[in-house]
Amino acid sequence: DAGVIQSPRHEVTEMGQEVTLRCKPISGHNSLFWYRQTMMRGLELLIYFNNNVPIDDSGMPEDRFSAKMPNASFSTLKIQPSEPRDSAVYFCASSLQGGFGGELFFGEGSRLTVL
Amino acid sequence: AQTVTQSQPEMSVQEAETVTLSCTYDTSENNYYLFWYKQPPSRQMILVIRQEAYKQQNATENRFSVNFQKAAKSFSLKISDSQLGDTAMYFCAFMNQGAQKLVFGQGTRLTINP
Repeated sequence: DAGVIQSPRHEVTEMGQEVTLRCKPISGHNSLFWYRQTMMRGLELLIYFNNNVPIDDSGMPEDRFSAKMPNASFSTLKIQPSEPRDSAVYFCASSLQGGFGGELFFGEGSRLTVL
Repeated sequence: AQTVTQSQPEMSVQEAETVTLSCTYDTSENNYYLFWYKQPPSRQMILVIRQEAYKQQNATENRFSVNFQKAAKSFSLKISDSQLGDTAMYFCAFMNQGAQKLVFGQGTRLTINP
């Protein structure tokens, strides 16, 4: 079975540009999570969805960040406009049964560099 | 808010040795879950082992085992007969029962030397 698929794997962009990161969760999983990993702050939960509905977006840093999940097999994380401090690895993860004590399956991450 | 602390930023051992990674956490809850995730150079986070707080028995997965001390809020990971492929970042993580937010520690970079 395919795991969580993220694209792009690497992205380099200039400050002010729009960035869109994509995620395809594991088929049948009903929860999806977006995490950000930086050296300074480690792994932070940005937002998560249950059954395509955003449940908690308190980790989204500011209005420049937005996430959508139009259907059970696709999610996007958008940054507009991007800033150098957004440089990080962004992980998408999915789980069955809402992740209550269960395993989160992570994608390989999207490394974003904003110049 | 729950916090997870890994006090060892880096560790290094020889192949075949046993190594123990430390993790402490802070919570006022009684029921929760604890995890160890591995992040190899490929970057993907992989679950190593999981423990339910209500279970007294320590979880074991092949060469990986935990020492769960609930009163001390300690959750260490022991890797026996370490292998070169165990080289990775290891993250301790916490999740409240009935919640979905996984809170991670800062990570321990483990190097297994030949």
